[in-house]
Amino acid sequence: DSGVTQTPKHLITATGQRVTLRCSPRSGDLSVYWYQQSLDQGLQFLIQYYNGEERAKGNILERFSAQQFPDLHSELNLSSLELGDSALYFCASSFRDRDTNEQFFGPGTRLTVL
Amino acid sequence: AQSVAQPEDQVNVAEGNPLTVKCTYSVSGNPYLFWYVQYPNRGLQFLLKYITGDNLVKGSYGFEAEFNKSQTSFHLKKPSALVSDSALYFCAVVSYYGNNRLAFGKGNQVVVIP
Repeated sequence: DSGVTQTPKHLITATGQRVTLRCSPRSGDLSVYWYQQSLDQGLQFLIQYYNGEERAKGNILERFSAQQFPDLHSELNLSSLELGDSALYFCASSFRDRDTNEQFFGPGTRLTVL
Repeated sequence: AQSVAQPEDQVNVAEGNPLTVKCTYSVSGNPYLFWYVQYPNRGLQFLLKYITGDNLVKGSYGFEAEFNKSQTSFHLKKPSALVSDSALYFCAVVSYYGNNRLAFGKGNQVVVIP
């Protein structure tokens, strides 16, 4: 158990809908990362927050957004969903804001868009 | 920009035999190198990392990795594979300098045959 929690575990929704994925980092960790994992794209970095502020953006679509709250939990919002958004979404956390520190991954949320 | 190559899609090994998962990297400056493992339906788990110093790094579950600067490689090894080592293995690299993003390889599926 990494100490990172993600809810829900599974999410099934329809195209055009909006969903919110939630992540709680390990106790004491200030950085939260979001990743998307799919068979064709592999593991893709989406966005990073550190202590409430956005630190880095990766391959995140404009339809997607995220935030980190004062209690350090984070939410990833996916809107106008398309079939191609079906994937595993992982949250990871680390203590510092630099990628030179190991990241601890949550169990993931499996999103299925029908 | 940094990148990682994991040349083999799948590595098959008999239980009890040595296991090697290959990784080569490209980065400007000194690298931080990581190995993560992903078991089915789970998030990635940190195995080990190289920062500096001894080229042989020991990690969790009996795994070790050897840093070779001249060959820009960071192969993961285990002397005697177990069936429970069957999983997806990711190599990742980030430059020590600057605020660069961690770059993951595409992953190698390891199948340990009983």
